[in-house]
Amino acid sequence: DSGVTQTPKHLITATGQRVTLRCSPRSGDLSVYWYQQSLDQGLQFLIQYYNGEERAKGNILERFSAQQFPDLHSELNLSSLELGDSALYFCASSIGTSESYEQYFGPGTRLTVT
Amino acid sequence: LAKTTQPISMDSYEGQEVNITCSHNNIATNDYITWYQQFPSQGPRFIIQGYKTKVTNEVASLFIPADRKSSTLSLPRVSLSDTAVYYCLVGDASGGSYIPTFGRGTSLIVHP
Repeated sequence: DSGVTQTPKHLITATGQRVTLRCSPRSGDLSVYWYQQSLDQGLQFLIQYYNGEERAKGNILERFSAQQFPDLHSELNLSSLELGDSALYFCASSIGTSESYEQYFGPGTRLTVT
Repeated sequence: LAKTTQPISMDSYEGQEVNITCSHNNIATNDYITWYQQFPSQGPRFIIQGYKTKVTNEVASLFIPADRKSSTLSLPRVSLSDTAVYYCLVGDASGGSYIPTFGRGTSLIVHP
């Protein structure tokens, strides 16, 4: 158990809909990272927050957005969903912001868009 | 953008030593090299991290040559439970913030 929790575990929804994925980091970790993992694209970094502020942006679509709240939990919002958004979404947390800090990954949310 | 290249797959047998090499030709001066392990439908798990020379912990060793353009993860005496995908991660801080860039990973299958 990494100490990172993600809800829900599974999500099935239809095209055009909007969903929210939730992540609670390990106690004491200030950074939260979001990743998308699909069979054809591998593990893709989406976005990172550090202590409530956006820190780094990767391959995140404009239809996707995220935020980190004062209690440090984070939410990833996916809107106007398309079939291609079906994937595993992982959240990870670390103490700091640089690559020297180990990332602890949550169990993931499996999103299926039908 | 820092990119990594790893073999797509490897096969081994229980009790053997496995070495997985990752190429990262355009690694930046201050980049670390980190390896993660991932089992199906689980999040990746940190294995080891290094900057140069050799690093060893209780599960693996990491060898980094002087030019740092590659690194080798060494798993001693693998068991069936080491069957997983192994990712080499090199950061990209060229834009001022750290962008974790995972490669496609190496699928290791350990046979009895």
